[in-house]
Amino acid sequence: NAGVTQTPKFRVLKTGQSMTLLCAQDMNHEYMYWYRQDPGMGLRLIHYSVGEGTTAKGEVPDGYNVSRLKKQNFLLGLESAAPSQTSVYFCASSVRGPPTDTQYFGPGTRLTVL
Amino acid sequence: SQQGEEDPQALSIQEGENATMNCSYKTSINNLQWYRQNSGRGLVHLILIRSNEREKHSGRLRVTLDTSKKSSSLLITASRAADTASYFCVGGNEKLTFGTGTRLTIIP
Repeated sequence: NAGVTQTPKFRVLKTGQSMTLLCAQDMNHEYMYWYRQDPGMGLRLIHYSVGEGTTAKGEVPDGYNVSRLKKQNFLLGLESAAPSQTSVYFCASSVRGPPTDTQYFGPGTRLTVL
Repeated sequence: SQQGEEDPQALSIQEGENATMNCSYKTSINNLQWYRQNSGRGLVHLILIRSNEREKHSGRLRVTLDTSKKSSSLLITASRAADTASYFCVGGNEKLTFGTGTRLTIIP
């Protein structure tokens, strides 16, 4: 099993450009999450999904959209990138949701917006 | 609000020594989890302790939970260079909220 994979690993955007980050998991997990991690801060939840076809807002959803068309994939979109979105983005998945379940994380995508 | 704040923010010890990290949280939780993050990598789950447990062991890890003080500690015994990483506690209720972590450096 590959676990949780993220594509791409690195990306540089100019302000106003758009892009999509792809997260894929092969563990048949129901729940998937997108986080961002900034220096000196913990992970902050952007959006999450409790199953195929569902999405919900997390702590910092503004400027991002998500889609979960297939159970194994969770896409994070930036429609008009801003320098404030420069961050490392992590995807995670879990069998069930909080509070009891363990989350499995991908390796991260380092995004720089100029 | 953060449901897990680690202390200290940074810790450096000699290889072979024990490392202790503390975590405080604000509201009631169902469980508390600890994760490790190696530099530039994703988080890896280490251990989960439920609110009705006081202590839990896993290999060289020992976790305690004091719900009356809303605090937890993670002890890593006989530290190794490979333990160099950031450690996060996560208080679990309807959401998992991560703290800023303790950055542990093991000096060979």
